[in-house]
Amino acid sequence: EDQVTQSPEALRLQEGESSSLNCSYTVSGLRGLFWYRQDPGKGPEFLFTLYSAGEEKEKERLKATLTKKESFLHITAPKPEDSATYLCAVQAGYGGATNKLIFGTGTLLAVQP
Amino acid sequence: NAGVTQTPKFRVLKTGQSMTLLCAQDMNHEYMYWYRQDPGMGLRLIHYSVGEGTTAKGEVPDGYNVSRLKKQNFLLGLESAAPSQTSVYFCASSQGGDREFGPGTRLTVT
Repeated sequence: EDQVTQSPEALRLQEGESSSLNCSYTVSGLRGLFWYRQDPGKGPEFLFTLYSAGEEKEKERLKATLTKKESFLHITAPKPEDSATYLCAVQAGYGGATNKLIFGTGTLLAVQP
Repeated sequence: NAGVTQTPKFRVLKTGQSMTLLCAQDMNHEYMYWYRQDPGMGLRLIHYSVGEGTTAKGEVPDGYNVSRLKKQNFLLGLESAAPSQTSVYFCASSQGGDREFGPGTRLTVT
């Protein structure tokens, strides 16, 4: 069964304290792995898509990496405005028009000044 | 561009009442989706559409119906609301890759 697991469930960091969030997955035929940021009371906001093992993408203080079994979202020198829930999702399967995404339950990140 | 918009933002229903949630997108996306988000369960797909006039069931379709009469709109209907449908509902659209999400509708069924 296709599955996405995120860890930790919650993470509290001091401003400037770098860390990583983990997204492990078991799917048949990965077509893409997506990272989203979700602020309280809002919809998820797209951050990155990774397609193959070894791929990396960066945006400001965030860097996403992908292996065959997991993805990491590295946060370098975080600021309080990075506080949010970070969601991981995988698109699995071959062909078809469904483009279904399987979401993890997210990591709630709190960055304290 | 307004992106994806949802109406209403909040709603309280009594058990057995019906309602329709409206989603609109102005990006000319082919695909549209309805998700629900519950604590500890992640986003779950209710129904989706791959184009105007088409709809299909997702992971948790029971108790919901959808229609996509126009490419830019995707409606989610609850015919007889139940407390188990208390949730936050998100609409999203895409061209096949990442989703653009709306701001959500918080629905409470008492």
